[in-house]
Amino acid sequence: GAGVSQSPSNKVTEKGKDVELRCDPISGHTALYWYRQSLGQGLEFLIYFQGNSAPDKSGLPSDRFSAERTGGSVSTLTIQRTQQEDSAVYLCASSIEPNQPQHFGDGTRLSIL
Amino acid sequence: QSVTQLGSHVSVSEGALVLLRCNYSSSVPPYLFWYVQYPNQGLQLLLKYTTGATLVKGINGFEAEFKKSETSFHLTKPSAHMSDAAEYFCAVMVSGNTPLVFGKGTRLSVIA
Repeated sequence: GAGVSQSPSNKVTEKGKDVELRCDPISGHTALYWYRQSLGQGLEFLIYFQGNSAPDKSGLPSDRFSAERTGGSVSTLTIQRTQQEDSAVYLCASSIEPNQPQHFGDGTRLSIL
Repeated sequence: QSVTQLGSHVSVSEGALVLLRCNYSSSVPPYLFWYVQYPNQGLQLLLKYTTGATLVKGINGFEAEFKKSETSFHLTKPSAHMSDAAEYFCAVMVSGNTPLVFGKGTRLSVIA
């Protein structure tokens, strides 16, 4: 497809488990962003990649959160030892260059029981 | 930088003017965006302001005007349609190497 693809679309897991969320950006887009959307918090920036490098990790809420991007394409956001407060929709976006509009995927809805 | 959207919920009648308010704070000239989010979907770009003309036209008949003196970027549409019911987000970016900073969003309801 032509858009940003995220998988899984929904994930339910038990507290304490690790989860991996995947993002396939639009082909050729060099910049990739992760955001978290939760009730009461709105949209929060998590991390930004330019190519495979992450110049800005300032939004990661704790050391349980990490992300990587390989081949300048697919990115994985990993949350270790999940907590209930991690429940949210995780959105990925990509742009052809950092100062160009970001295109969003449909998100992964994460529910921690 | 920060973004303030006045009104978490706005309700209009079908055919009426839509006005969604956005004010920003930024130490440098910003890039400004409006996104729309339909239920269970990601965000879709409505329009953007980078430089140049301050009145920006977007998709679905929406437009927004950048007013530097008022630090505003309000979104308008002359005549609301039922299909416009969604959540709308205003966002600011100060440079290409910074992330988007979003407002809290405004939920638009359209009444028949």
